[in-house]
Amino acid sequence: GESVGLHLPTLSVQEGDNSIINCAYSNSASDYFIWYKQESGKGPQFIIDIRSNMDKRQGQRVTVLLNKTVKHLSLQIAATQPGDSAVYFCAETPGFQKLVFGTGTRLLVSP
Amino acid sequence: GAGVSQSPSNKVTEKGKDVELRCDPISGHTALYWYRQSLGQGLEFLIYFQGNSAPDKSGLPSDRFSAERTGGSVSTLTIQRTQQEDSAVYLCASSLAGARNTEAFFGQGTRLTVV
Repeated sequence: GESVGLHLPTLSVQEGDNSIINCAYSNSASDYFIWYKQESGKGPQFIIDIRSNMDKRQGQRVTVLLNKTVKHLSLQIAATQPGDSAVYFCAETPGFQKLVFGTGTRLLVSP
Repeated sequence: GAGVSQSPSNKVTEKGKDVELRCDPISGHTALYWYRQSLGQGLEFLIYFQGNSAPDKSGLPSDRFSAERTGGSVSTLTIQRTQQEDSAVYLCASSLAGARNTEAFFGQGTRLTVV
């Protein structure tokens, strides 16, 4: 099945820093993208979404940027906190309704 | 309930046995997904149900895997003749409409261990 089977890259930051997590998506037909946060032992949790008619969307301490030209998505977390430590996944909707996840990134925040 | 509920939370089974994993989606959600997550890895799509449409089974890894959704609500993922490589966390998610429109909410998952 469609999957990401690679070992997860890790981003280590200090508390208070801004974090940027990147994701390359695969299908130029995708028109809806979501970032999920997954803490150890839990299911993924929605963070923020963006549609393909936008290139930027802001939430509380988070911003998602979409570059359709190079099929790139990024998640920016402002003033990163230890509670932000988790694995972050981007997801896209190629074709129709299916939600396909990209390679996750482990974020480690040091106090 | 308030969220997606999966049961059991943990399941240990012997190689060759069949297992059934259950997912109770959020009430009113028409879309339901099953994913598999191996240790330290990403989410592998398995199957997607949307309303009364034929399910998208394109992610099921073999014919030992099947899933059904009764009455447009509860779903059961069945793995027959389990193998050790089936060991993973199986995650279920539901959304109000299709993936292109609304966010999917995930359950806590069922951790399957095949010994």
